Amino acid sequence: QVQLVQSGAEGKKPGASVKVSCKASGYSFSGYYMHWVRQAPGQGLEWMGIINSGSGSTIYAQKFQGRVTMTRDTSTSTVYMELSSLRSEDTATYYCARAGQQWLVVEYWGQGTLVTVSS
Amino acid sequence: DIQMTQSPTSLSASVGDRVTIACRASQSISNYLNWYQQKPGKAPKLLIFAASTLQTGVPSRFSGSGSGTDFTLTISNLQPEDFATYYCQQSYGTPITFGQGTRLEIK
Repeated sequence: QVQLVQSGAEGKKPGASVKVSCKASGYSFSGYYMHWVRQAPGQGLEWMGIINSGSGSTIYAQKFQGRVTMTRDTSTSTVYMELSSLRSEDTATYYCARAGQQWLVVEYWGQGTLVTVSS
Repeated sequence: DIQMTQSPTSLSASVGDRVTIACRASQSISNYLNWYQQKPGKAPKLLIFAASTLQTGVPSRFSGSGSGTDFTLTISNLQPEDFATYYCQQSYGTPITFGQGTRLEIK
């Protein structure tokens, strides 16, 4: 079965960077896109971007352009999301989520990684 | 960006009720509309894609309809496990965007 296992919670200071990992299993890793979606406490879902797990090509939401980098390692079936210049408003749970057959449908979700930004 | 607007933002209902949640897109998105369910402390779960196609394993009491700009999610015969927050999402193009969510509470 499809499993997405994310790295553990992180606490960061403003201005720092965070890198969240997402290890995939149970399917052909290179055959599916991976999304990153975040959710601030008590708030809705916000799309950050998408990576083609095969080619490594990315599309980022304009809001995060210049601050986010998504990468993948096909040898370990892992995708990464790095967010830099953190501010308090970046405090959120970050989800990796595999696309379905249609690349913009989010079919399977990781368990989430809480990133807390505080001085 | 395509804006997605859900109504209502919250809803109270009883076990056994039938409820409907609406979702409106700021432009036509054909049938590129998906619905997710999220329970507290958990990741969202895909319920319906392409406006009306039930994801594998989702109970048939869930149904979706609509095309263009107006869509609905209907839950018939509400069960205790259905009380959650529901989000619509457009998959017409990037950036993908979500509605603000509808919280379904027990009356």
